[in-house]
Amino acid sequence: GAVVSQHPSWVICKSGTSVKIECRSLDFQATTMFWYRQFPKQSLMLMATSNEGSKATYEQGVEKDKFLINHASLTLSTLTVTSAHPEDSSFYICSASWGPSGATQPQHFGDGTRLSIL
Amino acid sequence: AQTVTQSQPEMSVQEAETVTLSCTYDTSESDYYLFWYKQPPSRQMILVIRQEAYKQQNATENRFSVNFQKAAKSFSLKISDSQLGDAAMYFCAYRSANQGGSEKLVFGKGTKLTVNP
Repeated sequence: GAVVSQHPSWVICKSGTSVKIECRSLDFQATTMFWYRQFPKQSLMLMATSNEGSKATYEQGVEKDKFLINHASLTLSTLTVTSAHPEDSSFYICSASWGPSGATQPQHFGDGTRLSIL
Repeated sequence: AQTVTQSQPEMSVQEAETVTLSCTYDTSESDYYLFWYKQPPSRQMILVIRQEAYKQQNATENRFSVNFQKAAKSFSLKISDSQLGDAAMYFCAYRSANQGGSEKLVFGKGTKLTVNP
């Protein structure tokens, strides 16, 4: 089945550091990738949608300059948390899908990245 | 905007028994998809089952089945012969099927399922 790899799985860093999270589709070309944030015991909150070769579409309330998303190829999207602070600590999950809009293919999720800012 | 509501924050079931998780949604669209995802303690999101709104027949995947009531905007998940490995958070999700529409998933808040041995 479709596989999405997310790296790293866990990162701990100091406040003020920028952190990059990678999301790769291993066996398919992902036309669209999604980035979610999940707080403990809560649901997934969509942060942004990215299409290969174009700027990401951010959800209301998500800071574009804080969470930089790049979808440079059909198999790779990155999320960079710039100048991270303790309030950015969370679980970040990516997902990927392919095919035209309205297609039936479901999203396939990466394993997530636990980000801890000290 | 579409919304998904899971009214049961927590549920428990005895091993080998059957449990039903509730989900309701609100939309003005006529064509859409509904999903149930499972998130075990490992936090990986696993697709359990999906339903196309235009299909009247309820989807079934082994021990998992849904009761899709389009008019009532209800999409419950039934787990039969519950196993210890079924213990997880379960999220109901909605996605538009309109051409040119958003592919994003709208999630409910989740139901934590505990399976008692």
